[in-house]
Amino acid sequence: TQLLEQSPQFLSIQEGENLTVYCNSSSVFSSLQWYRQEPGEGPVLLVTVVTGGEVKKLKRLTFQFGDARKDSSLHITAAQPGDTGLYLCAATLYAGGTSYGKLTFGQGTILTVHP
Amino acid sequence: GAVVSQHPSRVICKSGTSVKIECRSLDFQATTMFWYRQFPKQSLMLMATSNEGSKATYEQGVEKDKFLINHASLTLSTLTVTSAHPEDSSFYICSATRGGLAGGPYEQYFGPGTRLTVT
Repeated sequence: TQLLEQSPQFLSIQEGENLTVYCNSSSVFSSLQWYRQEPGEGPVLLVTVVTGGEVKKLKRLTFQFGDARKDSSLHITAAQPGDTGLYLCAATLYAGGTSYGKLTFGQGTILTVHP
Repeated sequence: GAVVSQHPSRVICKSGTSVKIECRSLDFQATTMFWYRQFPKQSLMLMATSNEGSKATYEQGVEKDKFLINHASLTLSTLTVTSAHPEDSSFYICSATRGGLAGGPYEQYFGPGTRLTVT
């Protein structure tokens, strides 16, 4: 059973188009993070969301955290070829205790932006 | 910043030999470090959780005698793949965690990964 459902798995679009990636769970997240990974490199943290209903913007990227803290989305406006990569959502599904920030990852979304 | 390094970035070894991969948090002390394995075009698969001064906690299905983890300090963890076989060939990534203070979120910062090829 996949605790964190990420969709779509593959996305191929033209430069200038908009796109949205979704991350959903039946569990409540303590916090959720979005990462971007390029081939042969480690994931790079883009954002952490903690508060239900939170919206964060990073240039052309907009991150939303659902009110119930069970879902999140990443929206990219006017995609560019440089946005190409693997996007991962990851969540801490329980807080405190001995979790030490252990993350559960979604399946990932491979985004290809064609010039 | 929050920089995590890994060494080596690439390693090729012969079947039956052991390989050690180092993970260092360069500018912060990490509460915990994690080791992941990643197959092409797939998400990360957690192998183990490593805390300084204690035994690593392995995920189900990960052989602890094959993947030895040593967490020598708050800035260094090592993964040793013992008696490596071609099926162990993969991209191994470590991460170091900070945060979690006063109930705030933990944040994981990832190393650049190590490409292991076993021939």
